[in-house]
Amino acid sequence: AQTVTQSQPEMSVQEAETVTLSCTYDTSENNYYLFWYKQPPSRQMILVIRQEAYKQQNATENRFSVNFQKAAKSFSLKISDSQLGDTAMYFCAFMKYRRSGNTPLVFGKGTRLSVIA
Amino acid sequence: NAGVTQTPKFRVLKTGQSMTLLCAQDMNHEYMYWYRQDPGMGLRLIHYSVGEGTTAKGEVPDGYNVSRLKKQNFLLGLESAAPSQTSVYFCASSSHEGSYEQYFGPGTRLTVT
Repeated sequence: AQTVTQSQPEMSVQEAETVTLSCTYDTSENNYYLFWYKQPPSRQMILVIRQEAYKQQNATENRFSVNFQKAAKSFSLKISDSQLGDTAMYFCAFMKYRRSGNTPLVFGKGTRLSVIA
Repeated sequence: NAGVTQTPKFRVLKTGQSMTLLCAQDMNHEYMYWYRQDPGMGLRLIHYSVGEGTTAKGEVPDGYNVSRLKKQNFLLGLESAAPSQTSVYFCASSSHEGSYEQYFGPGTRLTVT
């Protein structure tokens, strides 16, 4: 079974600064996908960024980027130029790849990020 | 498109009562999922469906039943609610091809007293 570990229950960062959220996972699969989801106080789950394990290049979406280390099974999220709207719970998630179709997500326990003005 | 909708948004039940949570999606997605979110636990999979008429158990299925009679709907039932089922319930759906992204509903907050 796959497990996802987020070792930082809470973090804070000053507005405009950079913060990195950690995520490690355990799997025997070779092909899989990794995701970061954001959950603001509205409770809505919002996809921030995704990474395919077969791609060596780290994914980037505007101010959000990942550091994907497949051998170390590490998938950290870097938020640059933090904004007050980034205040949220962040979840790291793992999905096995199957040619037959999607599989359910396995989530970490989350990191609560507070951006301070 | 409304995306993924959930009914109701909030509910309070007494122990032993039953209820059904409805999830609907208008994106013609094959896959649908029910997760529960508890403080400090992240989201955990209850049941899921890979197509109309099919269901499968997830990590925490006990005390719940599901049905997928129509492709666009996925129902989660609690036959005899227990306080341990107090949680926020999320439904999600995804396509069988493409980006593999799961689209989430707004959640249902359920309290069992």
